[in-house]
Amino acid sequence: KAGVTQTPRYLIKTRGQQVTLSCSPISGHRSVSWYQQTPGQGLQFLFEYFSETQRNKGNFPGRFSGRQFSNSRSEMNVSTLELGDSALYLCASSFGTTGNTIYFGEGSWLTVV
Amino acid sequence: GENVEQHPSTLSVQEGDSAVIKCTYSDSASNYFPWYKQELGKRPQLIIDIRSNVGEKKDQRIAVTLNKTAKHFSLHITETQPEDSAVYFCAASNQGGKLIFGQGTELSVKP
Repeated sequence: KAGVTQTPRYLIKTRGQQVTLSCSPISGHRSVSWYQQTPGQGLQFLFEYFSETQRNKGNFPGRFSGRQFSNSRSEMNVSTLELGDSALYLCASSFGTTGNTIYFGEGSWLTVV
Repeated sequence: GENVEQHPSTLSVQEGDSAVIKCTYSDSASNYFPWYKQELGKRPQLIIDIRSNVGEKKDQRIAVTLNKTAKHFSLHITETQPEDSAVYFCAASNQGGKLIFGQGTELSVKP
């Protein structure tokens, strides 16, 4: 079956702009979580959505937001982009219960100039 | 807060040797501990995981051990091969899809 799909794969934005990233989870998975990966900070948890509700949230400013649709697809949005937001944004999906295997998408590479 | 410490940050071994990576977690409620391998420019791929009701799990050349009392878990790779070269991440979870990751270990296996 198809894996976790993220779009777009690569994008360049200017400081102050906003960006929306999309994630389609594995069929049947109801949990979608988002992570930011940078060389300096490693892999950091942004938030998790389960059945259209935000279930967990990491320590990121309010400029980072997300949502999940009824078909479990998810989007994350970053407003007022800063240079430091340049990163690989990874989406992951699972059935949603602790201990379920969590699968990652290929990620969206965001460069802010 | 929740934290996972991972050591070493870099590890270089000769082909055929064993490699060990260690992690310590802070949240005693953590009950799921996966290990991911990430090759350059690619997604993290799950290689093995362990749940808190198990002390050890093995899959061919890879094994993971968990000590809940000490809040330690370790990855052991035996008979290393050049294709094992990658960055390895440990993680801990106590809530659904939320993973707290260690800082990563860059493993280099020299032929």
